[in-house]
Amino acid sequence: GESVGLHLPTLSVQEGDNSIINCAYSNSASDYFIWYKQESGKGPQFIIDIRSNMDKRQGQRVTVLLNKTVKHLSLQIAATQPGDSAVYFCAENEYNNDMRFGAGTRLTVKP
Amino acid sequence: DAGITQSPRHKVTETGTPVTLRCHQTENHRYMYWYRQDPGHGLRLIHYSYGVKDTDKGEVSDGYSVSRSKTEDFLLTLESATSSQTSVYFCAISEDERAWADTQYFGPGTRLTVL
Repeated sequence: GESVGLHLPTLSVQEGDNSIINCAYSNSASDYFIWYKQESGKGPQFIIDIRSNMDKRQGQRVTVLLNKTVKHLSLQIAATQPGDSAVYFCAENEYNNDMRFGAGTRLTVKP
Repeated sequence: DAGITQSPRHKVTETGTPVTLRCHQTENHRYMYWYRQDPGHGLRLIHYSYGVKDTDKGEVSDGYSVSRSKTEDFLLTLESATSSQTSVYFCAISEDERAWADTQYFGPGTRLTVL
C-alpha cells in the first residue's frame, strides 16, 4: 500500500537558525496535507495545512512547500526557538479516504 | 485549543478486563475519531464516527468497539484488553462535511497499559 514517510528521524538545530523538516508521500492522488507538532505527553497540534492546488503556504514563522512532481512536502520554521522542540509529523489525505500519518521527526533546538 | 477532553488520562489494567475510554468535545463537530499511537508508527485509525450512532471501522479496529449516543461523546471500548493494546490513544474531531479533506484536531491522549 502507499504510505507517508519522513526523510530524517531526528533534526538538531541551533536556536535562531531556520529548520527544514521533510516528508515524502507516495499517493499521487492525495489532495490535502497537514503538519502537526507534538510535544512530549501531549496531543498533536495543528500547525499548517496545504491543498494540492497550492505549492506554498505561509503561516506565522512556518512555511509549507508542496512539490507534487516528486511527491515531497516540507515544513520550514524560521528563527527556530527552544519552544519549537517537538516531534513533527505530516499527514496526507485523499478525498473519501482515511488520513494517513507519518511517524515523525524529532526536532531539537540547541541554545 | 479545540475543546476536546479525554478520560482517563492514564490507566493501568490487566489482561482480559474491559476498558472504556471517553472522548468529550465542546465544538459540536460532526466527525470524531479514535487513533492509537505506537513507537515507530504514525497514528493509526481505530474507528470513527460521522454522526450520532453512525460509526465505521478504521485500519486497526480488531478488538475495539465504539459508541456515540450524543454529538459530544465518543466512547472507545476494549472488550477484553490484551498487552498488544498497550498504547497511547488519541481522540480527534473535524467539522467539515468533506471530513476526509479537513483538519483534524486532537485531544490530549490517554496512556493505557495492559499488564
